[in-house]
Amino acid sequence: GNSVTQMEGPVTLSEEAFLTINCTYTATGYPSLFWYVQYPGEGLQLLLKATKADDKGSNKGFEATYRKETTSFHLEKGSVQVSDSAVYFCALSDRGGSNYKLTFGKGTLLTVNP
Amino acid sequence: DADVTQTPRNRITKTGKRIMLECSQTKGHDRMYWYRQDPGLGLRLIYYSFDVKDINKGEISDGYSVSRQAQAKFSLSLESAIPNQTALYFCATSDPTAGTVDNEQFFGPGTRLTVL
Repeated sequence: GNSVTQMEGPVTLSEEAFLTINCTYTATGYPSLFWYVQYPGEGLQLLLKATKADDKGSNKGFEATYRKETTSFHLEKGSVQVSDSAVYFCALSDRGGSNYKLTFGKGTLLTVNP
Repeated sequence: DADVTQTPRNRITKTGKRIMLECSQTKGHDRMYWYRQDPGLGLRLIYYSFDVKDINKGEISDGYSVSRQAQAKFSLSLESAIPNQTALYFCATSDPTAGTVDNEQFFGPGTRLTVL
């Protein structure tokens, strides 16, 4: 079955530090890959996505590249801000057949200190 | 205005009580989902519905039931609540045929349920 493994947290950084959150996946076929973000007290919202190998998703200074050879989709940001403090979820969608459910990783809590 | 709303936002109940959590959406999406979130476990799918007549169990459906009253409404029920159902519950919608990102899901704000 499908699975997503992401870096366990919590991760604590100082403002302007470089961020990497690792994500690897197991899936049949060629899934779409996503990063969702959950700010305190809110629901999840899509941060970025990639639908095929070598695609790079980007948004709000965050980037992730779909690496089929290493089955990875690591999230990076060059300079984090206090407002980036949130829980980040890696997820995949298996496009096989009519099954479009999302499989999520366990989430990584990021805290950015001023 | 929120596109996906959930009521109530917080609920405290006692073991054995019947509880209903409601989800409404104005996005016009056919597909709706219920997840629960537990610390360190991420989100797990409870039930999903691809249209009003199509309801499917997710990975953790035991102890839960759902009702899809209309395209816009999807309710989750706990027939007899137990303490290990204490969690944060999220409703989500999607519509891959509408030209959106492949199965991008849109989440409500969540319902925090505590079962004593």
